[in-house]
Amino acid sequence: QVQLQESGPGLVKPSQTLSLTCTLSGGSISSGSYFWSWIRLPAGKGLEWIGRIYTTGSTNSNRSLKSRVTISLDTSKNQFSLKLTSVTAADTAVYYCARSEYTPSSGYHYGMDVWGQGTTVTVSS
Amino acid sequence: QSVLTQPPSASGTPGQRVTISCSGSSSNIGNNYVYWYQQLPGTAPKLLIYRNNQRASGVPDRFSGSKSGTSASLAISGLRSEDEADYYCAAWDDSLSGSYVFGTGTKVTVL
Repeated sequence: QVQLQESGPGLVKPSQTLSLTCTLSGGSISSGSYFWSWIRLPAGKGLEWIGRIYTTGSTNSNRSLKSRVTISLDTSKNQFSLKLTSVTAADTAVYYCARSEYTPSSGYHYGMDVWGQGTTVTVSS
Repeated sequence: QSVLTQPPSASGTPGQRVTISCSGSSSNIGNNYVYWYQQLPGTAPKLLIYRNNQRASGVPDRFSGSKSGTSASLAISGLRSEDEADYYCAAWDDSLSGSYVFGTGTKVTVL
């Protein structure tokens, strides 16, 4: 059974860099055609897509966060990671990682069907 | 601030049909597929519908999705207490360099 698990510090100081890792179990992150995404849920608000990385390593990110976001893939560890720089209290949220399948020949996206359980990150001094 | 607008709340009694709307524009819903996610309290979101109207694996046929122009809808028929959750639509937005966008979310309450 394919599972994702987020990990990283639960508390980050303002202006510092938030770093999270998502580890895949039950499969290989380098096989198949998948997008690996980060999404967050601030308290009392709705879901916000942060960005994604494709199996080939190409990335897309939310234009409102783009300058602060880096997403990378580590196939040797079966992980992908998120770095968000210059954080403020507005970055406090539950952070999720997720997988979505993509078929290049048809251009079909199948939606984010596997999610991690989420990890709470608080930005505070 | 989301570019996909949903009503903040919807409700119904057990057995009723509830419909949630999702309004966008030509750069997102009008030109791309719509996805629907269910988020039960304290849990991760779950994919319900992909590519406008395809049910994800294991999703009961009480859930159905549709799209027309720049709007989409999720219908829940035979409402059950376990359907009480937040529901989000989502789509790719082609404007600027492209971005995946979620709707504002709808809280469904089973009365």
